[in-house]
Amino acid sequence: GENVEQHPSTLSVQEGDSAVIKCTYSDSASNYFPWYKQELGKRPQLIIDIRSNVGEKKDQRIAVTLNKTAKHFSLHITETQPEDSAVYFCAASLGGATNKLIFGTGTLLAVQP
Amino acid sequence: DAGVIQSPRHEVTEMGQEVTLRCKPISGHNSLFWYRQTMMRGLELLIYFNNNVPIDDSGMPEDRFSAKMPNASFSTLKIQPSEPRDSAVYFCASSLMAGLAEYEQYFGPGTRLTVT
Repeated sequence: GENVEQHPSTLSVQEGDSAVIKCTYSDSASNYFPWYKQELGKRPQLIIDIRSNVGEKKDQRIAVTLNKTAKHFSLHITETQPEDSAVYFCAASLGGATNKLIFGTGTLLAVQP
Repeated sequence: DAGVIQSPRHEVTEMGQEVTLRCKPISGHNSLFWYRQTMMRGLELLIYFNNNVPIDDSGMPEDRFSAKMPNASFSTLKIQPSEPRDSAVYFCASSLMAGLAEYEQYFGPGTRLTVT
């Protein structure tokens, strides 16, 4: 079946450094790629998303890049802060007339003050 | 808007008992999703509905699991009989689907289920 691979599973950075999380997907018809942040004990919340007609999107300290040819997309967080510590999930939509998302396995980001 | 509402927030039950989880999606959303989250298996889609109709239930683990959406503002996920391995956080999410465009899925606060 279709799947999304996410790396790394854990990431520790110093406050102020950048963090990069990478995902690959298998369905060539996928055209929507959201990123969710989940703090401990909380619900996943969308932080940024990108569609297949765009190669890059930025929102303040976070950015997402998409390479459709390689089926890769990445989350970039600059100037990390302790409150960025959380689990981050990437997801890809299935192609066709469906709004089903396939989620990656998550990355636990720890920002050390 | 109150967002997606789930109840109960916590449920502790004994093996063999029936468990019913409830969800109220965001008003105006026409898609509803049930997810299960565990450390071992991550975030799994169990079933989703479009316009109250089940579209894909391939993620429902066994016949012990069933889900209904009798109207646009209410859905239930039932486990009967429950087993310890069903212990997890169950999230409900809703979104708006218009044509082939995908929109953000909004998650509820989740129900933490513990089966002893």
